[in-house]
Amino acid sequence: EVQLVESGGGLVQPGGSLRLSCAASGFTFSSYWMHWVRQAPGQGLVWVSRIFNDESNTNYADSVKGRFTVSRDNAKKMMYLQMNSLRVEDTAVYYCVRVTFAGSGYDFWGPGTLVTVSS
Amino acid sequence: QSVLTQPPSVSAAPGQKVTISCSGSSSNIGNNDVSWYQQLPGTAPKLLIYEINKRPSGIPDRFSASKSGTSATLGITGLQTGDEADYYCGAWDNILSAGVFGGGTRLTVL
Repeated sequence: EVQLVESGGGLVQPGGSLRLSCAASGFTFSSYWMHWVRQAPGQGLVWVSRIFNDESNTNYADSVKGRFTVSRDNAKKMMYLQMNSLRVEDTAVYYCVRVTFAGSGYDFWGPGTLVTVSS
Repeated sequence: QSVLTQPPSVSAAPGQKVTISCSGSSSNIGNNDVSWYQQLPGTAPKLLIYEINKRPSGIPDRFSASKSGTSATLGITGLQTGDEADYYCGAWDNILSAGVFGGGTRLTVL
């Protein structure tokens, strides 16, 4: 059974940092591209970042470019999102998401971890 | 402001059919696969449709989708009260080099 479990969320002050982790199991993690998607309270889904299966390519939403860094450790079946210079508008539930093998949809989602940026 | 445009809400009676539209551009829907997601209250989104009109295992054939040019449509037949949820369309945008979503459509089954 495919499982994705995020951790590392919490309350942080504006300008602070957090590192989110995503633990994957039940599939060949090293074969799949992975994404982060976030959802502010009461709002819609917003794509954050993508990483290729071999870390050869990463992409970021303009709103987080230069502040967030996605990485992965295929041996540990883990993906990470290092978030620096956090802003109030980064407050959201962050989902770890797997993309289908053809890259045509997000087929498995973790339960999400809440990041709250507030003073 | 979302890159893909969806109606904020739709409603229909149990047993009826409803459609949800998703409008984009040539850089996203026009040249890439569209996917659809259902988000029940308090839960993570779930993939309903991918590669325009394929359903993951466990998704009933009451859910279908189509694409024409730079627009896509999700259809749900035989509406049930359990279908009440937020529905999102998504695609990759070649110009932005980013994933894009619609703003979401809240379905109410009256």
